[in-house]
Amino acid sequence: AQSVTQLDSHVSVSEGTPVLLRCNYSSSYSPSLFWYVQHPNKGLQLLLKYTSAATLVKGINGFEAEFKKSETSFHLTKPSAHMSDAAEYFCVVSDLDTNAGKSTFGDGTTLTVKP
Amino acid sequence: SAVISQKPSRDICQRGTSLTIQCQVDSQVTMMFWYRQQPGQSLTLIATANQGSEATYESGFVIDKFPISRPNLTFSTLTVSNMSPEDSSIYLCSVGRDSANYGYTFGSGTRLTVV
Repeated sequence: AQSVTQLDSHVSVSEGTPVLLRCNYSSSYSPSLFWYVQHPNKGLQLLLKYTSAATLVKGINGFEAEFKKSETSFHLTKPSAHMSDAAEYFCVVSDLDTNAGKSTFGDGTTLTVKP
Repeated sequence: SAVISQKPSRDICQRGTSLTIQCQVDSQVTMMFWYRQQPGQSLTLIATANQGSEATYESGFVIDKFPISRPNLTFSTLTVSNMSPEDSSIYLCSVGRDSANYGYTFGSGTRLTVV
């Protein structure tokens, strides 16, 4: 079985300061892990993806995430927040088993960026 | 990345009616997935659509309410039957692990409002 927990429902940062969005997962197999962003009234956009290669994954728009198996975590970070980063972020897990890619979404974290 | 096209992009429907949502992928994939995103919430998997067999539904979703067709390897439909206002959501499709574009894209979604 697979599950994902986003530890913060809301995160507020000032523009230019670091962003940390936390995600813990549970997986019976080697997981694929994803972060998606969803801007208001927009579709889902993939930020980055981990699939058992390098544990530090770099994504678009300056985001990166580190896969830590011992901590079952996949936290999303960005060194310096921009106003355009304000959005909803989803952490997603998918077991590398026979489910062929069925994904489980976290509840989401709303990121607010203050000027 | 692959293009996943969904139609319609949005619709306003009367309660008691049905709406069929189409999902077209520009490459062949074995598995396709249908998700629902209720207002202000995360995505929940409705069902897995495997070409040539019955769709597999997640807990809380039934075939009579959400019949799915998968006539070939690039196309699927989801019907929302006998709609009520509680069905007002965004419905999205995505592709499975055998696609080179797995995880990269979701359909743009169908925003359904039931009045």
